[in-house]
Amino acid sequence: DTAVSQTPKYLVTQMGNDKSIKCEQNLGHDTMYWYKQDSKKFLKIMFSYNNKELIINETVPNRFSPKSPDKAHLNLHINSLELGDSAVYFCASSQRGPVSGNTIYFGEGSWLTVV
Amino acid sequence: GESVGLHLPTLSVQEGDNSIINCAYSNSASDYFIWYKQESGKGPQFIIDIRSNMDKRQGQRVTVLLNKTVKHLSLQIAATQPGDSAVYFCALDGGGGADGLTFGKGTHLIIQP
Repeated sequence: DTAVSQTPKYLVTQMGNDKSIKCEQNLGHDTMYWYKQDSKKFLKIMFSYNNKELIINETVPNRFSPKSPDKAHLNLHINSLELGDSAVYFCASSQRGPVSGNTIYFGEGSWLTVV
Repeated sequence: GESVGLHLPTLSVQEGDNSIINCAYSNSASDYFIWYKQESGKGPQFIIDIRSNMDKRQGQRVTVLLNKTVKHLSLQIAATQPGDSAVYFCALDGGGGADGLTFGKGTHLIIQP
C-alpha cells in the first residue's frame, strides 16, 4: 500500500485555469505538507497542517490554498495558474515522536505544466 | 535564517567505489538531520538520520557523519551500485512545532560502470 499518495501525477493546463491536487496518507501521521520542487531540484516547503490547523505558509501566493477535510488528507488548490507555477509538487506527512525526529515521508509527486 | 548548502552539485564515481556527499548548514539550533535519496521521477526517500547528540550513525552501506563544530554533515555510500544513482538531499530540522524540514540543494550522484 502506498503510504502517501497524490493525484494526478501529471497535469498540463492553460494559464488562468484553476486546478487541484489531492493527497492522502495512510500512516496515521498528524502533520501533512506540500513542497514545491523547481527545475533545479530545489525543495521548498509551501504549507504544513497539524491537526487540521495551518502551521506554516511560506510566502506562497494566495492563489494557492491548502484544504484539509481530515487528518489523512491535504489537498492543494491553485487558482489563476501562471507559467511560473510549473513545477513538481510533493505532498508529505510526518509524526514527530519523543525519540524520533521529524522524518517526513513524501508522495511520488505531481508534475504540473502550465502552458 | 537557515541555509543548507552542498559542496558539489554533481558527483561521478566508479561502480564499486565509495562515495561521499557533503552538506554544510548554518543553523546551530538544528537538532535532527536526514539524508534523502530522490530517483528520477520519484519523490524523496528517507535513507538515514542522525540526532545532534551523535556524531556518526551507520546503516546498510551508508554512514552519516555529523560535525557540529563546523556545522557539516556527510553521507558515505560504500561499494556504490548502479541503483545508487540519484539526487541526494540533506535536510535539517530545527525542532519543535509542525514546521517542515529545510532541504539542501541536492547532489546528483552518477555511478559510472
